[in-house]
Amino acid sequence: GQSLEQPSEVTAVEGAIVQINCTYQTSGFYGLSWYQQHDGGAPTFLSYNALDGLEETGRFSSFLSRSDSYGYLLLQELQMKDSASYFCAVESQDTGFQKLVFGTGTRLLVSP
Amino acid sequence: DTGVSQNPRHKITKRGQNVTFRCDPISEHNRLYWYRQTLGQGPEFLTYFQNEAQLEKSRLLSDRFSAERPKGSFSTLEIQRTEQGDSAMYLCASSLISPPRTEAFFGQGTRLTVV
Repeated sequence: GQSLEQPSEVTAVEGAIVQINCTYQTSGFYGLSWYQQHDGGAPTFLSYNALDGLEETGRFSSFLSRSDSYGYLLLQELQMKDSASYFCAVESQDTGFQKLVFGTGTRLLVSP
Repeated sequence: DTGVSQNPRHKITKRGQNVTFRCDPISEHNRLYWYRQTLGQGPEFLTYFQNEAQLEKSRLLSDRFSAERPKGSFSTLEIQRTEQGDSAMYLCASSLISPPRTEAFFGQGTRLTVV
């Protein structure tokens, strides 16, 4: 089977930088995605990594190390609106191609 | 196209009743997924379709759950003889088959409460 681990909660202040980690166990890894979900809202896609390294999209970046089965989401210049839950999701031969298995999520609280 | 649409947004039902939810995906998307989410947890995979074919159903899903996607467009998820443990948010998502990545677009979900 597969498993993903994320911290349950992270707190930070406006303007700061925060890193949300995700470790996974799976076979035949294809890629790691990140999704954001505000309370009462739908999950929305943020980023995807299939290869080692950093992917940057505006204030958000995502990193992957396939050899360590580890990735992280980096949020810079935090804003109050970034308060949300963040999920990593893995795609692999284990899960099935183009089928996402989600972690339990990290709740980010941004304070003034 | 305004995105993935789910109906109803909320459903309260008595234990033992049957319920059916509908999902209208983004029109050109050939993959459609159903997930279930409970408070404080990530979306849990239930089943998915490629066009009208159901590719996989989660082993965690009991026989009370059934999903269809006739003609490869909208999909329905039916839960028979509902139980209190079925109370959750049911999320639908759709995507294009466009390797290398899967970008799933989620609907707002149907919140089911079984009383």
